[in-house]
Amino acid sequence: KAGVTQTPRYLIKTRGQQVTLSCSPISGHRSVSWYQQTPGQGLQFLFEYFSETQRNKGNFPGRFSGRQFSNSRSEMNVSTLELGDSALYLCASSMTGGENSPLHFGNGTRLTVT
Amino acid sequence: GENVEQHPSTLSVQEGDSAVIKCTYSDSASNYFPWYKQELGKRPQLIIDIRSNVGEKKDQRIAVTLNKTAKHFSLHITETQPEDSAVYFCAASSWAGTASKLTFGTGTRLQVTL
Repeated sequence: KAGVTQTPRYLIKTRGQQVTLSCSPISGHRSVSWYQQTPGQGLQFLFEYFSETQRNKGNFPGRFSGRQFSNSRSEMNVSTLELGDSALYLCASSMTGGENSPLHFGNGTRLTVT
Repeated sequence: GENVEQHPSTLSVQEGDSAVIKCTYSDSASNYFPWYKQELGKRPQLIIDIRSNVGEKKDQRIAVTLNKTAKHFSLHITETQPEDSAVYFCAASSWAGTASKLTFGTGTRLQVTL
């Protein structure tokens, strides 16, 4: 069974631009979560989607948004990029996002904002 | 919201020795506690998890203990090997209805020396 796939692996953007990251969950997994990983802040929860609906949201500004498609694939968008948005963005999938449904992470997209 | 503290931030042990990483959490509603291992440049991988109705869980050389009263949980690695060298993250979550959200500790860099 293929794991969680994230594309692209690396991105370099300029301040003020926007970016879209993609995540394909493990087959059969309907919950997709996004996390931001930085050396200073560690792993921080962005949001979770289940059946095309955002079920939970972390404490990030509205510049960070996402969506989920009917095939459970998810995209995350960051608008008006800031230098502080440079990070590794990790997508994780699980069967239901509930109990007895552990998270499985992808390899991440490393975003660099210059 | 939930807050997870993790100690120590770095840990160096000799091959064959044991390693212990400790975490505390703040939200008494948390009932799921996974541990992830992240090797350099790779994705976090779930190595063991425990639920609040269990006090201890073991998987070969890895064990996790949970003290709900004190709100702390620990990872124990016995007979450490060089391949155990990585960053380890603890996390806590509560299954709020149908949603899930992991709050991570800041990580422990474990170095196993020969």
